[in-house]
Amino acid sequence: GIQVEQSPPDLILQEGANSTLRCNFSDSVNNLQWFHQNPWGQLINLFYIPSGTKQNGRLSATTVATERYSLLYISSSQTTDSGVYFCAVEDSGGYQKVTFGTGTKLQVIP
Amino acid sequence: SAVISQKPSRDICQRGTSLTIQCQVDSQVTMMFWYRQQPGQSLTLIATANQGSEATYESGFVIDKFPISRPNLTFSTLTVSNMSPEDSSIYLCSVWTGTGVEQYFGPGTRLTVT
Repeated sequence: GIQVEQSPPDLILQEGANSTLRCNFSDSVNNLQWFHQNPWGQLINLFYIPSGTKQNGRLSATTVATERYSLLYISSSQTTDSGVYFCAVEDSGGYQKVTFGTGTKLQVIP
Repeated sequence: SAVISQKPSRDICQRGTSLTIQCQVDSQVTMMFWYRQQPGQSLTLIATANQGSEATYESGFVIDKFPISRPNLTFSTLTVSNMSPEDSSIYLCSVWTGTGVEQYFGPGTRLTVT
């Protein structure tokens, strides 16, 4: 099956700092999403981004499908950004079967 | 978007017993998905539940251990049977929007097996 690796595994930021999270995947994909899991466990869909660039407030994401990676940018980080960030890919076979990446655990300190 | 609720939100169970987790969605969906998240780990798909047919299980998961029901287009249950401490995890149900491009998750059920 498809492999999805994320880096870095852990990240500690001072409030106000910027960061880039990376997601590498091993095969062609139909679909790529970024999720934030807050400290209470709720998963929030941040982006659906199979290719190209999207922005939503302080967050933006870029996927280069031909090179099999995606980046999530967090600018001016806030303590509420803390949690785990997952990328998740639907392989080219479709059927909405998704493989989640290994995750990046982010802690933003005041 | 989709609003998903799960019951119970958390439970502590003794080994050898079973727990049934309920998932309710605020709109009709063709497929519902059940995931497991072991402590400190990523999410792993357990099975896909279609209304009116048997669930499809991923490698490493079997129907005897994780029976699933899907009686209608807004509801599903997952049972964790004959539990052991290794089953201690968060169990999440998930659906995709009608447009099929975004995935939504319930709040999860935190299960601890003692």
